Amino acid sequence: DVKVTQSSRYLVKRTGEKVFLECVQDMDHENMFWYRQDPGLGLRLIYFSYDVKMKEKGDIPEGYSVSREKKERFSLILESASTNQTSMYLCASAGQGETQYFGPGTRLLVL
Amino acid sequence: AQSVTQPDIHITVSEGASLELRCNYSYGATPYLFWYVQSPGQGLQLLLKYFSGDTLVQGIKGFEAEFKRSQSSFNLRKPSVHWSDAAEYFCAVLNTGGFKTIFGAGTRLFVKA
Repeated sequence: DVKVTQSSRYLVKRTGEKVFLECVQDMDHENMFWYRQDPGLGLRLIYFSYDVKMKEKGDIPEGYSVSREKKERFSLILESASTNQTSMYLCASAGQGETQYFGPGTRLLVL
Repeated sequence: AQSVTQPDIHITVSEGASLELRCNYSYGATPYLFWYVQSPGQGLQLLLKYFSGDTLVQGIKGFEAEFKRSQSSFNLRKPSVHWSDAAEYFCAVLNTGGFKTIFGAGTRLFVKA
């Protein structure tokens, strides 16, 4: 069965802290994605990766960076967390041109 | 630019009633089309997808969707709603050969007894 896991379900951080969100998939998918989800805005793509060490900016990359050192793992980094980054963060993986499989999400609160 | 419109922010239906959730997309060619469901506090789960062929596609949990090229629509339907269907539903498009899936803003479904 397909599985995408995210390191935390809930996270509380302070303004200015560096935050790491980890995502792991067990499907050998090439493509991995990070979205943030806010009420009324749907899912907005932050970054995606189509191969190890490859990354592309999505629609809202400002304030974020990513790392993909291994095929199964895709990390989202908030270099200096701000209150406007309080949100639900969803990771997904997909084979080429296929369905995206989502993790359960991380709800991040920045105080 | 590609876009996906779900015109209804929320819908309330009675248990046992039929359901139709609307989705319109803007894209030059026929993209891949998806419906996902998100239960409270959870990630998204695929309900069904359309890539080509028969324009009426069946999904899980008794859902179906019909692709209408002339209307650029991909509406989701269910003949009889159950209380467990209360969730948020997202329509999405992926351009063929591309990486980026575009999601609609979502429609929240409420089911009343």
